[in-house]
Amino acid sequence: DAGVTQSPTHLIKTRGQQVTLRCSPKSGHDTVSWYQQALGQGPQFIFQYYEEEERQRGNFPDRFSGHQFPNYSSELNVNALLLGDSALYLCASSLRRGTLHFGNGTRLTVT
Amino acid sequence: TQLLEQSPQFLSIQEGENLTVYCNSSSVFSSLQWYRQEPGEGPVLLVTVVTGGEVKKLKRLTFQFGDARKDSSLHITAAQPGDTGLYLCAGASFQGAQKLVFGQGTRLTINP
Repeated sequence: DAGVTQSPTHLIKTRGQQVTLRCSPKSGHDTVSWYQQALGQGPQFIFQYYEEEERQRGNFPDRFSGHQFPNYSSELNVNALLLGDSALYLCASSLRRGTLHFGNGTRLTVT
Repeated sequence: TQLLEQSPQFLSIQEGENLTVYCNSSSVFSSLQWYRQEPGEGPVLLVTVVTGGEVKKLKRLTFQFGDARKDSSLHITAAQPGDTGLYLCAGASFQGAQKLVFGQGTRLTINP
């Protein structure tokens, strides 16, 4: 039974560029949440998707957007990258409001 | 804005010692969760505490939720090198909330 899978595992981008991160939820899960974890910090909630709609959003600018597909997989898009966007981006899936299962994240470096 | 403060941020002790990690807030949470995160991996849930004053045990780990549901602690007895990792507490404002507020973490190192 595959857990939450994220791709790519590592990514290097330049300031001003755009990036798309991908997440496949754990089998049987229908809800996906995205978190940003800066170095030395705890994760911060970005947003949550359920039934292909954004249901909750944290304190992140509109440069951060997402999408959920009919197969429950999800994408996180970040436009106009800033140096401060460098972080580990974590995807977590759950069945409705059940326990969160985290993936191993995508390490984004912005130079 | 709900905040969770963990202390200490770093802890390095010898194998066999006991330790306690604290997670404090001025806000009330519906539940508190404790996670452990290894390098290169995502957080893994250890326990969820829901009721004020609740105590849960997981082998040598004891978790407690404060009576007012504003704070929590993690106590490890006879620490082992395998306990090394980043411990994170996270609060939920309501049952089943997907938006968790995380503390900054406690990086624990157990030396053989």
